[in-house]
Amino acid sequence: KQEVTQIPAALSVPEGENLVLNCSFTDSAIYNLQWFRQDPGKGLTSLLLIQSSQREQTSGRLNASLDKSSGRSTLYIAASQPGDSATYLCAGHMEYGNKLVFGAGTILRVKS
Amino acid sequence: DTGVSQNPRHKITKRGQNVTFRCDPISEHNRLYWYRQTLGQGPEFLTYFQNEAQLEKSRLLSDRFSAERPKGSFSTLEIQRTEQGDSAMYLCASSQPAGTERFFGPGTRLTVL
Repeated sequence: KQEVTQIPAALSVPEGENLVLNCSFTDSAIYNLQWFRQDPGKGLTSLLLIQSSQREQTSGRLNASLDKSSGRSTLYIAASQPGDSATYLCAGHMEYGNKLVFGAGTILRVKS
Repeated sequence: DTGVSQNPRHKITKRGQNVTFRCDPISEHNRLYWYRQTLGQGPEFLTYFQNEAQLEKSRLLSDRFSAERPKGSFSTLEIQRTEQGDSAMYLCASSQPAGTERFFGPGTRLTVL
């Protein structure tokens, strides 16, 4: 069964704090991992794509890592800001077929 | 063209009615995907097109659902005889021919009364 789990389900932190969001997957057929941001009632914004040959990707204050052997990915957000408040979703790219398998997301609230 | 666009953004309909949604992908992307997202959950895959060919369909896509991409550009998703359980956000995504990064549209929120 293809399953992607995100922990924690919700997180509330004060502004300026560094934080880590976790994503784990059980299917070895997941080869790339993509992180998205979703604001309430909106579509998904792609944040980072980590390909199977890479171990991490960075964009600004965001850093994502991928460890296929342990089935884990983390999204690190440095110096969090209230504007970072959103739901963060990780999605595994399946090796066979063309679909993404999503976790349920982590709801992040950064308090000013 | 700065991204994937979807229309309408919101649709309210009565049970039993038919609805159709449209997705316009990023212009150079030949791959197009439809997903459905219910409250508190991640999106679930529905179907995938490469150019005009529908190459993959999820078991979630019942007989009441049909998707087309007639000229390999925009796509439509039709739901016939809507049910309350069809209420969800319908998301469209596209990607480049050799790329894997998916870019999503703003979604169409369907409410079936």
